[in-house]
Amino acid sequence: AQKVTQAQTEISVVEKEDVTLDCVYETRDTTYYLFWYKQPPSGELVFLIRRNSFDEQNEISGRYSWNFQKSTSSFNFTITASQVVDSAVYFCALSEYDKIIFGKGTRLHILP
Amino acid sequence: GAVVSQHPSRVICKSGTSVKIECRSLDFQATTMFWYRQFPKQSLMLMATSNEGSKATYEQGVEKDKFLINHASLTLSTLTVTSAHPEDSSFYICSARDPLAGGGNEQFFGPGTRLTVL
Repeated sequence: AQKVTQAQTEISVVEKEDVTLDCVYETRDTTYYLFWYKQPPSGELVFLIRRNSFDEQNEISGRYSWNFQKSTSSFNFTITASQVVDSAVYFCALSEYDKIIFGKGTRLHILP
Repeated sequence: GAVVSQHPSRVICKSGTSVKIECRSLDFQATTMFWYRQFPKQSLMLMATSNEGSKATYEQGVEKDKFLINHASLTLSTLTVTSAHPEDSSFYICSARDPLAGGGNEQFFGPGTRLTVL
């Protein structure tokens, strides 16, 4: 069965610090997709990244970077030089084809 | 990217009434749409999968008679919460799969509808 675990329920860091959000997943399939979404207080989901299971290359997009390691079934997300606007709930998610299964989310507070 | 809209964005209703929420794919045809529910400070939970022209598939524990889903066209799916009660108050989010994007796997999320039942 599919499962996504985000062990960190809530994290607080001071602005400009780096922060890593952990995500561990379980799936029996060899073909799957992993996602990260940001949900600000408005509620609308903001898509951040989609990665398929065959692409283990790490990705960097501005201050955001992702580390995908199949050996440990992890897909961690790092924000470098955090800003107050990064405060939100972040969801890691897994999809084999159809349904997207979400983790419980990590609430990130960036303190000024 | 593709755009999915939801209407209304916010609705308040009295207990016992029915509420309809619309989900539209604005610039693509979605053969499959999904409905999620999110209670405060919780994750998104899939309620049902809606395929155009056929009956929706509901997740375990979701009452199909209470949450009526209609996917009458390739750009519109509706969720009707029948005889709503305060415990149905939640944030309802739809997503639509674009069969021509991302190998047919890419889903695009609507902005959500916040339902409050008094």
